Amino acid sequence: EDKVVQSPLSLVVHEGDTVTLNCSYEVTNFRSLLWYKQEKKAPTFLFMLTSSGIEKKSGRLSSILDKKELSSILNITATQTGDSAIYLCAVYSGGSNYKLTFGKGTLLTVNP
Amino acid sequence: DSGVTQTPKHLITATGQRVTLRCSPRSGDLSVYWYQQSLDQGLQFLIQYYNGEERAKGNILERFSAQQFPDLHSELNLSSLELGDSALYFCASSVEPLREKLFFGSGTQLSVL
Repeated sequence: EDKVVQSPLSLVVHEGDTVTLNCSYEVTNFRSLLWYKQEKKAPTFLFMLTSSGIEKKSGRLSSILDKKELSSILNITATQTGDSAIYLCAVYSGGSNYKLTFGKGTLLTVNP
Repeated sequence: DSGVTQTPKHLITATGQRVTLRCSPRSGDLSVYWYQQSLDQGLQFLIQYYNGEERAKGNILERFSAQQFPDLHSELNLSSLELGDSALYFCASSVEPLREKLFFGSGTQLSVL
């Protein structure tokens, strides 16, 4: 059974801190790893990483995929209160059979 | 705003009842996915429809069913509801072939009392 584990489950930091969120996975037929941000209700897409694109950056957020270690990290620098959210990692091991497995998420709280 | 519309936002009902959740995908998206999110299980894939046809099935209970209509909106029907069905139900759509890059609606919070 495909498995995605995120750590830590919860994190509290102060504005301006840098945080690193972790995601490890065990899946068959890995295709891609994705990060979503969930604040209030709907998850929103952040990054997609594949074998051909193992590093992505957008503003203060960046993510790296380590295919050897079967893991990924999401870094947020100079955190702001607006970064407070649940960050979800998901791994797509699809093909003919759709399979997108989500981790349980990391709850990030950024205090002023 | 993702462009995916879900109604209703909240639903409170009793055990044994049946409810219908509705979803309209983003304009132009042919795929609709249903997910269930609970505190202990996280986000769980239920079912996918593509252009009116069922395309993939996940951990969907037999008491649950879904369909996608010619105008591409989708409905998720939950019957014989149990306390454990209380959860946040999301609909999402995607642009093929990127089936993993999902645009989620704001969800329907279902409370079964």
